[in-house]
Amino acid sequence: EAGVAQSPRYKIIEKRQSVAFWCNPISGHATLYWYQQILGQGPKLLIQFQNNGVVDDSQLPKDRFSAERLKGVDSTLKIQPAKLEDSAVYLCASVGGWASNTGELFFGEGSRLTVL
Amino acid sequence: GENVEQHPSTLSVQEGDSAVIKCTYSDSASNYFPWYKQELGKRPQLIIDIRSNVGEKKDQRIAVTLNKTAKHFSLHITETQPEDSAVYFCAAKGADSSYKLIFGSGTRLLVRP
Repeated sequence: EAGVAQSPRYKIIEKRQSVAFWCNPISGHATLYWYQQILGQGPKLLIQFQNNGVVDDSQLPKDRFSAERLKGVDSTLKIQPAKLEDSAVYLCASVGGWASNTGELFFGEGSRLTVL
Repeated sequence: GENVEQHPSTLSVQEGDSAVIKCTYSDSASNYFPWYKQELGKRPQLIIDIRSNVGEKKDQRIAVTLNKTAKHFSLHITETQPEDSAVYFCAAKGADSSYKLIFGSGTRLLVRP
C-alpha cells in the first residue's frame, strides 16, 4: 500500500514570498490533516478535512495560510506571505476511519520550510 | 478544546533500564490515546495506542496505562535499547465525531549504551 506522499520535501524562501505544499493521502482515506511541526515541538494541527469539507481550521492563521482539498483526494497548503516564524516541517496525515480501524494516522515525510 | 501536556521534555537512561513518559489531557470526553515515535528527520509512526475502555495495554517491551479519573496516561518502555532513542509524542482524540487528534510537546529519549 502506497503511503502518504508530500512535495516538495524541502523549500527555502525569503520572507513575504509565497509557497505551496502538496499532499496525496493513502487511497480511500477520507480524513486528511495538515500539521505544523516547529523544531523541538509537537505537531500542531492546522486544518482537518473530511472528504472535501473542512472539519476544523481553528488553528489556521487564515490571514496568510489557506488550504483546499478539491475532489476529496489531494490537498494543497499555501502560505502567502511567509513570515520567519513559519519555518517548520509541514506534515500531512490521513486516516481511513476511526470506527473501523485503530485510528492510526499515517504521516507523510513532511515538507521542511525555511523562511529567510 | 483539548490540551495535552507531556513530561519530561528530555529523558536519558542507561541501556537496559526502563523509561516512563507521562501525559495529561484536559477533555474528559477524550477516548483514544496513541503514542508516536519520531526518529530524527523521519515521520512520526504509531507504536501503541489505548482506548478509554481499557486501563492498560502491552506490546512486547512497551506498555501504556490510562487513568481516566486523573486524566493521564503513560508510556512505559522496559529493557531499553539504543534504537529506542527518538522523540516520543502522546496524543488524545476527543469523543466527538471530528476525529481531531491533539499532540503533546514530545519527549526526547536518549538511551546510553
